[in-house]
Amino acid sequence: SAVISQKPSRDICQRGTSLTIQCQVDSQVTMMFWYRQQPGQSLTLIATANQGSEATYESGFVIDKFPISRPNLTFSTLTVSNMSPEDSSIYLCSVEAEYLYPGLEYTDTQYFGPGTRLTVL
Amino acid sequence: AQSVTQLDSHVSVSEGTPVLLRCNYSSSYSPSLFWYVQHPNKGLQLLLKYTSAATLVKGINGFEAEFKKSETSFHLTKPSAHMSDAAEYFCVVSDHWAGGYNKLIFGAGTRLAVHP
Repeated sequence: SAVISQKPSRDICQRGTSLTIQCQVDSQVTMMFWYRQQPGQSLTLIATANQGSEATYESGFVIDKFPISRPNLTFSTLTVSNMSPEDSSIYLCSVEAEYLYPGLEYTDTQYFGPGTRLTVL
Repeated sequence: AQSVTQLDSHVSVSEGTPVLLRCNYSSSYSPSLFWYVQHPNKGLQLLLKYTSAATLVKGINGFEAEFKKSETSFHLTKPSAHMSDAAEYFCVVSDHWAGGYNKLIFGAGTRLAVHP
């Protein structure tokens, strides 16, 4: 299993500024993922971050807007740059790990962090 | 390309009655399928995962789902709803990317309301 923490848990930012979101995992993982959940919507994958290489971005997301760092196997950051009100969302990170729960055992399953709720004014 | 369709955006049940949340998927091969739950102001929690080992999958908190290939469905059920089950539920399909990881594709979600 994996325990994931994110900072900050929420923030209110002004248009045109940038915010860096941190994701910390309690164990070493190869792949980390960043998702966006717009108000009342489902989750959309922004990018995949593999330690030691450039992040891979999904269609509609670009590095200039959402730069990602992955300096080691337990940590990643996502920056939301030059923010506008349309960036108001919940941003979640996830990792692939073994999932252990009484009676259940899965491999290669994504765990999600608690999310960062961003409001842009 | 993989996709999932959750057939109901909102489901309302009375406490103690059965829950049925419907999900259809589209996949070019045998998929991995998941149900996640998101309680208000909380992160996502995995309820269960289908990986072809058994068509009836049991998960946490009394939930289970049945994989029906002929119907391309993966509906989530629970015999008796509890007030604490009120949440948003996401059906998810895994698109195994050539890069070696499982890209998750989320359905639009079903909001479950449970009434006393």
